[in-house]
Formats: sequence, C-alpha cells, structure tokens
Amino acid sequence: KQEVTQIPAALSVPEGENLVLNCSFTDSAIYNLQWFRQDPGKGLTSLLLIQSSQREQTSGRLNASLDKSSGRSTLYIAASQPGDSATYLCAVSRFGYSGAGSYQLTFGKGTKLSVIP
Amino acid sequence: DGGITQSPKYLFRKEGQNVTLSCEQNLNHDAMYWYRQDPGQGLRLIYYSQIVNDFQKGDIAEGYSVSREKKESFPLTVTSAQKNPTAFYLCASRGQGGNYGYTFGSGTRLTVV
Repeated sequence: KQEVTQIPAALSVPEGENLVLNCSFTDSAIYNLQWFRQDPGKGLTSLLLIQSSQREQTSGRLNASLDKSSGRSTLYIAASQPGDSATYLCAVSRFGYSGAGSYQLTFGKGTKLSVIP
Repeated sequence: DGGITQSPKYLFRKEGQNVTLSCEQNLNHDAMYWYRQDPGQGLRLIYYSQIVNDFQKGDIAEGYSVSREKKESFPLTVTSAQKNPTAFYLCASRGQGGNYGYTFGSGTRLTVV
C-alpha cells in the first residue's frame, strides 16, 4: 500500500528565506506527483504536476523535483513571502486496483508553512 | 472560467438524517472524485467515477453513496449509517489518462448537530 510522508509537519521561516519541503513515498510505481496548496478552510490549489518521466517542474518562485527511484520529491520556494503561508500537500497518482482504469491520489498529511514578516 | 463548484459551503446534519453534497464541474473531465479531510490526517478517498453511470468505492465508502447521471455532476450523500460524518469534504476532477493532474473544488464543511 502506498504511503506518503511529508517532513517537516510545520515550518516557520522569516520573510525572504529560501526553503525546501520534503515528500517521500514508498511505492515508486507512480504516474505523476502533484503539489498542492491549501489555505485554512479552503480547497486545494494545484501548484505543480510532475510526470513520472520528468525530473522537475518550475512555476515562478516554485520548483519541484522528483526522484522516483528513491521515492522522493522536494518543493523549493524561493524568496518566501507572508502570502506563501499555507499548508502544502504532496500527492502521488497510482493506478487503481478496480480494473476500471482509475488513477487515484494518495496524499501526505502536509507541511504547514508560516512565513513571518 | 472552468472549474469545480461545491455547495453548500457549510452544512449541518441532525442525527439520523441523510444529507447530499453537490459537486458540479465545467471542465469536461471524465473522472470525478470525493475525498474526506479530517484534522491531522491526509485526504482519504470515498468514491470515484471514471464515466457516466459508473462509480467505484474508495478506501472509506461505508456510510456514503454517490450517483453519476451526468458528466458534469457527482453528488455525494452522507447517510445515517456514517457514524462520524463531521469533516471537510472535497470534490475533484481529472482529465482522461494518467498524465493529467487533479482540480479540486472549494469544499463543504459538514457538522453533525
């Protein structure tokens, strides 16, 4: 059974600092990995999607890497801002076992980021 | 703009009642999903549907039911058999094939009163 772990569970940094969030997964047979952001009481906003054949994806100040063989992904946030404060979730997509061609996400519990002005 | 609309945002249920959460998407996605989120836990899959008139149980389907009569709509009913329904419910959709990411709605918070 796929398990996804995110470390640390919480992180507090001063504004302007570069930071790295970690995600590890136990089964390397994934189709893709997706990083999400969740603000309190809100839904999930997709940040980056990395296909299993890719090594990294970039969007603005965000860079996500994927090492499928070692079961690890990192999300790098450059020059952090108070508006980056949120919970960041990592999820891996696996092929479902129902035979219906499903692609199901397994989530980590998230890293709660606080950026202090 | 394309997206997923969940309603209501807040829902209160009395003991023994069934309640239905709405999820509508205009992304033309085939696959739709329902997840439950509890404090301190990761999201857990309740039900998913790959195509109209077909759906499959996820990891925690007991006490829930769904229907998929239209491509755009995937409502979730929380039945009285669900003993601990207080949670944040998230609906998602995805394009066809494994190379597409998920899009999530804004969620419904269900509370038992």
